[in-house]
Amino acid sequence: NFMLTQPHSVSESPGKTVTISCTRSSGSIASNYVQWYQQRPGSSPTTVIYEDNQRPSGVPDRFSGSIDSSSNSASLTISGLKTEDEADYYCQSYDSSNWVFGGGTKLTVL
Amino acid sequence: QVQLQESGPGLVKPSGTLSLTCAVSGGSISSSNWWSWIRQPPGKGLEWIGEIYHSGSTNYNPSLKSRVTISVDKSKNQFSLKLSSVTAADTAVYYCARTITAMVDYWGQGTLVTVSS
Repeated sequence: NFMLTQPHSVSESPGKTVTISCTRSSGSIASNYVQWYQQRPGSSPTTVIYEDNQRPSGVPDRFSGSIDSSSNSASLTISGLKTEDEADYYCQSYDSSNWVFGGGTKLTVL
Repeated sequence: QVQLQESGPGLVKPSGTLSLTCAVSGGSISSSNWWSWIRQPPGKGLEWIGEIYHSGSTNYNPSLKSRVTISVDKSKNQFSLKLSSVTAADTAVYYCARTITAMVDYWGQGTLVTVSS
């Protein structure tokens, strides 16, 4: 099976842009879709990106997703950071009917 | 709007069996979706436990497969999780979720299950 590795934490100022990476340990990142979930303290996760780069309705276009086969990684980019974006972010993918989550990245907006 | 609600004991003894049920409202469990269980130990990340289709087909996390059973009750529009031989490492918030093409579109609110004597 494979693992998804995320940075433990990132921080950036309001109004700036931040990118969170998610690197797949084996197998191609492009072979299975990547999703991104946001989890605020005390709440259930919510989907902010699905199928690599699609936004569910209601998610602002400040959130975008991409994959890079050369680094075998996916990225979540949040532009125009707001304090409300402060949360934990998890990437998720799958292989052979087995789901894998990344370890999560704590985003601090300071 | 689909809603999912977990229920079950909040405390389970070591070596016992954890049992949770997820009631689905606002939609049919017989729709073209899979239904998953995902857990999150306190202060840690998310872990997928497994999923079920209304036909009864299941997929499980290989690391938990020997201890997990997920079942569906179409008459009650709900699905259930059983995790046997639990230890303190199984203490977590357990979420039920509706999934489509390997992504979650609806999450339950989660329920904390503590394994302790």
